[in-house]
Amino acid sequence: GAVVSQHPSWVICKSGTSVKIECRSLDFQATTMFWYRQFPKQSLMLMATSNEGSKATYEQGVEKDKFLINHASLTLSTLTVTSAHPEDSSFYICSATAPDTQYFGPGTRLTVL
Amino acid sequence: QKEVEQDPGPLSVPEGAIVSLNCTYSNSAFQYFMWYRQYSRKGPELLMYTYSSGNKEDGRFTAQVDKSSKYISLFIRDSQPSDSATYLCAMRENNAGNMLTFGGGTRLMVKP
Repeated sequence: GAVVSQHPSWVICKSGTSVKIECRSLDFQATTMFWYRQFPKQSLMLMATSNEGSKATYEQGVEKDKFLINHASLTLSTLTVTSAHPEDSSFYICSATAPDTQYFGPGTRLTVL
Repeated sequence: QKEVEQDPGPLSVPEGAIVSLNCTYSNSAFQYFMWYRQYSRKGPELLMYTYSSGNKEDGRFTAQVDKSSKYISLFIRDSQPSDSATYLCAMRENNAGNMLTFGGGTRLMVKP
């Protein structure tokens, strides 16, 4: 149980385009999902907390207009990177909360050319 | 000083060795403690989950929590090359809404 999927697993896009990443909890409902960013050989950096039916809460220094988060249902949250630039290239990981802890998706590797 | 400290490694051990991974923390309000395993270019996978102090065993893995010392450990017995990964400790307060504080991760390499 407690499986979280992400789609796509890898995306390459041109600078200036927008990219949408989906995060789904497959066998449980999650009122809260988290979005993280991870650079090579570094730990997870929390970007935002996504609550179903309400606006996301962004961590300090994360541009909410650039990283749009929508938590439309208890099993789906989306992260849209708008007007992507090469510095947005990174590994993006979502997690969904089950009682007491977080379960992570497999991650999405974004490469912006 | 970070809230959760974890030696980044890398820690290199021969196959079959007992591995000890550790984290120290400063926030005495942490009540829930977790260990995640992360393979390269994959999302973290929950390995162990404990509440408050004590030990928990699951197969080759044993998690220990010593709240008086603000110190947690993960032991891996009979380590295998497939255990080679980065291990992240994580913890949270009682009413933190599942918000976790992570250590920086320890990279483990188990050599055949």
